[in-house]
Amino acid sequence: QQQVKQSPQSLIVQKGGISIINCAYENTAFDYFPWYQQFPGKGPALLIAIRPDVSEKKEGRFTISFNKSAKQFSLHIMDSQPGDSATYFCAAQGAQKLVFGQGTRLTINP
Amino acid sequence: NAGVMQNPRHLVRRRGQEARLRCSPMKGHSHVYWYRQLPEEGLKFMVYLQKENIIDESGMPKERFSAEFPKEGPSILRIQQVVRGDSAAYFCASSPVLSITYEQYFGPGTRLTVT
Repeated sequence: QQQVKQSPQSLIVQKGGISIINCAYENTAFDYFPWYQQFPGKGPALLIAIRPDVSEKKEGRFTISFNKSAKQFSLHIMDSQPGDSATYFCAAQGAQKLVFGQGTRLTINP
Repeated sequence: NAGVMQNPRHLVRRRGQEARLRCSPMKGHSHVYWYRQLPEEGLKFMVYLQKENIIDESGMPKERFSAEFPKEGPSILRIQQVVRGDSAAYFCASSPVLSITYEQYFGPGTRLTVT
């Protein structure tokens, strides 16, 4: 019940395309859903986050879509750029600790 | 405005030795979290601390692992008698006192290799 399932494991997108990563959770007690971006050898960097009372949040090229009834949320990266190539983790927070998805390795081809 | 600081960045220990990892939270943050990341996997919660208090250690192995966050100085994650399976990246995160969502900001990590 504490798991967060993330898909796909890896994703290749052409420059300028839309990258979409999906996550699903079980525990309805989760109350905060952040996305992190991680480059090799670095720590995860907070990218964008959403609370369950909002269905969508947009910051620049990054958008989170949230479906509370389905217990699913997704990250959309518009106009994907080679610099977006990284590993992306979704997470769900409850009781002040984060439960992470398994990660998606995103490659943007120039 | 320094971020979360961790040291050392890389640590090599022989089996049976002790590993001591340090974390200094961002300025103004008094909540510290430790996570472990195995190769090609997501991060797994280990422990949540406030100054001089362990709030949640549900993710900590029962033996050999301990954590502290003293009144003065950095938070320490200690692993005694390390084994090969302890090889991983250990990340520290911090969050501010007054935050509705307790955003967690991560340090660069300590990569522990046990030989």
